[in-house]
Amino acid sequence: QVQLVESGGGVVQPGRSLRLSCVASGFTFNSFAMHWVRQAPGKGLEWVAVISEDGSLKYYRDSVKGRFTISRDNSMNTLYLQMSSLRPEDTALYYCAKMGVKDGYKIGIDYWGQGTLVTVSA
Amino acid sequence: DIQMTQTPSTLSASVGDRVTITCRASESITSWLAWYQQKPGKAPKFLIYKASSLESGVPSRFSGSGSGTEFTLTISSLQPDDFATYYCQQYNAYPYTFGQGTKLEI
Repeated sequence: QVQLVESGGGVVQPGRSLRLSCVASGFTFNSFAMHWVRQAPGKGLEWVAVISEDGSLKYYRDSVKGRFTISRDNSMNTLYLQMSSLRPEDTALYYCAKMGVKDGYKIGIDYWGQGTLVTVSA
Repeated sequence: DIQMTQTPSTLSASVGDRVTITCRASESITSWLAWYQQKPGKAPKFLIYKASSLESGVPSRFSGSGSGTEFTLTISSLQPDDFATYYCQQYNAYPYTFGQGTKLEI
C-alpha cells in the first residue's frame, strides 16, 4: 500500500531555514508527480508546490516563490522541501502528497502523508 | 490564480439526511475538480475526481456533478462517519487551489 512519511518539521526562528523530507513506498515513485500541501492550525488546505516525475518541472504558489525549493531523489524514493527565509505565516502542518493518474490523465491528489509540523516563531 | 468558493462554510444535518455542498470556480476549469474529506487530526481523504468520478472504495452515497464553474458534492444519506470537513480543489492549472472547506456537523 502507498505510504508517505514526512519528517524534518520543528520550531524555527523567523528568517531561518528548514528542510522537509518525505519517504515514499508502495508505488513506483519515479512515475508520479509529487506535491507539498500545507495547513495552518485550524485553517484550510493550501497547495504549496509540485514537482514532475523526473524533477524537470516545478511550480510554486506565489507566497513561497524564491524562498522554497521542491526537489526529489528518485533513487531514494524521497521528496524534499527546502524552506528558507521562513516567516510566521509559514507555520503549518506540511503534507507530502502524490498526484493521481488514471488513463493518462491527472485526477488530483490521491494519497497524503500524515504531515510534519513547522512552527516559525521567535 | 483560480479562486474556489465553497458554500456553505458550515452545514448542520442529521443521520439519514441528503446534503449538498457547492463549489464555484472563478473561471472555467472544465471538469478538473476533486473533492476531499478531512477529519480532525487526520490527512485528507480523496473522494471524487474529474468532478463526478468516484474514487475506488468510496461509498456510493457520495456523488459529484458539475462542469465549467459550478460543482456540487452530494451525500445521499448521511452516515455517522460522514461528519467531517469537505474541500474542493481545482487541478486545471497551477497553482492548484482549494475551497475554504465546508464543515459538516451533527
